[in-house]
Amino acid sequence: DVKVTQSSRYLVKRTGEKVFLECVQDMDHENMFWYRQDPGLGLRLIYFSYDVKMKEKGDIPEGYSVSREKKERFSLILESASTNQTSMYLCASSHKRGGAGYEQYFGPGTRLTVT
Amino acid sequence: SQELEQSPQSLIVQEGKNLTINCTSSKTLYGLYWYKQKYGEGLIFLMMLQKGGEEKSHEKITAKLDEKKQQSSLHITASQPSHAGIYLCGADVLYNQGGKLIFGQGTELSVKP
Repeated sequence: DVKVTQSSRYLVKRTGEKVFLECVQDMDHENMFWYRQDPGLGLRLIYFSYDVKMKEKGDIPEGYSVSREKKERFSLILESASTNQTSMYLCASSHKRGGAGYEQYFGPGTRLTVT
Repeated sequence: SQELEQSPQSLIVQEGKNLTINCTSSKTLYGLYWYKQKYGEGLIFLMMLQKGGEEKSHEKITAKLDEKKQQSSLHITASQPSHAGIYLCGADVLYNQGGKLIFGQGTELSVKP
């Protein structure tokens, strides 16, 4: 069974704190993704990674950084949390193939509240 | 405007009724993915369509891809309360670009017993 896990389901942090969100997949997937999901705005891609130590900016990278030291683990870092980063964060992974066919498998999500 | 438009945005149906959700892309589709999300949880992968005219079914859910119209439809037959949730379509519109998908806004389905 495919499995993507995220370190926390719910997280409450204060403005200015450094926040780490961890994601682990056990499917030996090359690609990993971080999204945030907000009402009315849908899923927005923050960062993604094709391989270990590789990262690329998505549509909304400002205020975030990522780390991928091992193939199975992809971390999202909020360097200095702000209230506008309160959101649902979703991690996903997929195989890397030539052409098309990239179904992504998602974790359960982390609901982050920044006060 | 959205690159991937879903309609309707929300739907309330009586248990046992059939329903259809549409997903239309403004770009060429190289792959179309349907997901279901329960409130506050992650997305569950339902099925993937790649070829024009392709049709796949999973239990009472059928999805079709119309490549010419750049559109996919998700049809649920004899809806049940367990079908309730948010249905999202995702699309691969960047061929051989490493798996980035774009997503629709989602369709919220409620099924009244």
